[in-house]
Amino acid sequence: NAGVTQTPKFRILKIGQSMTLQCTQDMNHNYMYWYRQDPGMGLKLIYYSVGAGITDKGEVPNGYNVSRSTTEDFPLRLELAAPSQTSVYFCASRNRDRGIAGANVLTFGAGSRLTVL
Amino acid sequence: AQTVTQSQPEMSVQEAETVTLSCTYDTSESDYYLFWYKQPPSRQMILVIRQEAYKQQNATENRFSVNFQKAAKSFSLKISDSQLGDAAMYFCAYRRNAGNMLTFGGGTRLMVKP
Repeated sequence: NAGVTQTPKFRILKIGQSMTLQCTQDMNHNYMYWYRQDPGMGLKLIYYSVGAGITDKGEVPNGYNVSRSTTEDFPLRLELAAPSQTSVYFCASRNRDRGIAGANVLTFGAGSRLTVL
Repeated sequence: AQTVTQSQPEMSVQEAETVTLSCTYDTSESDYYLFWYKQPPSRQMILVIRQEAYKQQNATENRFSVNFQKAAKSFSLKISDSQLGDAAMYFCAYRRNAGNMLTFGGGTRLMVKP
C-alpha cells in the first residue's frame, strides 16, 4: 500500500521557471491538501480539494495553482518561481468524516524539497 | 481564524524520563479535533495522538497521553519513559468538525539525552 506519493523529492529551480509537484494517493481519499513548511516553522495550507473537480484556497495560495481531475491526483503548479517559494512541500489526504475511526486523520507524503535560486 | 500556539521552541528530556509539550489554541467552535504530529529528521509527518473535543476523557496511545482542558483551550502532550527515537519536531494541530483546514502550531523540537 503506497499511501501518498510525491515527486520529485528534491528540485532546484531558477527564478522565473515553472514546475509541477506531483501527488498521488491510492487510498481513495476524497480530501487532498498541499502544505508548505518553511525552515523551523509549522505547516501552512496552500490549497486543498474535497473531491475531483473541486479545489479551494488555503492560507498561502499566491504563486500556486492546483487541479483535481481525478480522485487520485492533486498536482501543485508553480508558474513563476520566486526565492520566497523555497520550502518543503507536503501533500496529504484523508477520508470524509463519517464517524469511522481514523476517517479524519491526514496521511502525509514524504515531502518535496524545493530550492529557488 | 483559528490559531494554534506552541510556546516552547525547544525542549530537552533525559532518556526514560517524562516530558510535557504545551499547546494552546483559539477557537469559537465547540466541536473540533486536536492532533499531535511527530516529524523526525526524515521529514515524514506521523500522527501521534488525536482528541475529539466532545470527549471528556483524555486520549492515550501507549507512552503518549494528552491533557485536554477545553475551557482553557489547552492541549498538552505527555511523553512517558522517553526514548531516543522520540527525538523530533512535534506539531500540535486543530481542525473544526466538518471543516476542511488543519491548522498547525509552530512546532517544538524535542531532544532526548542518553
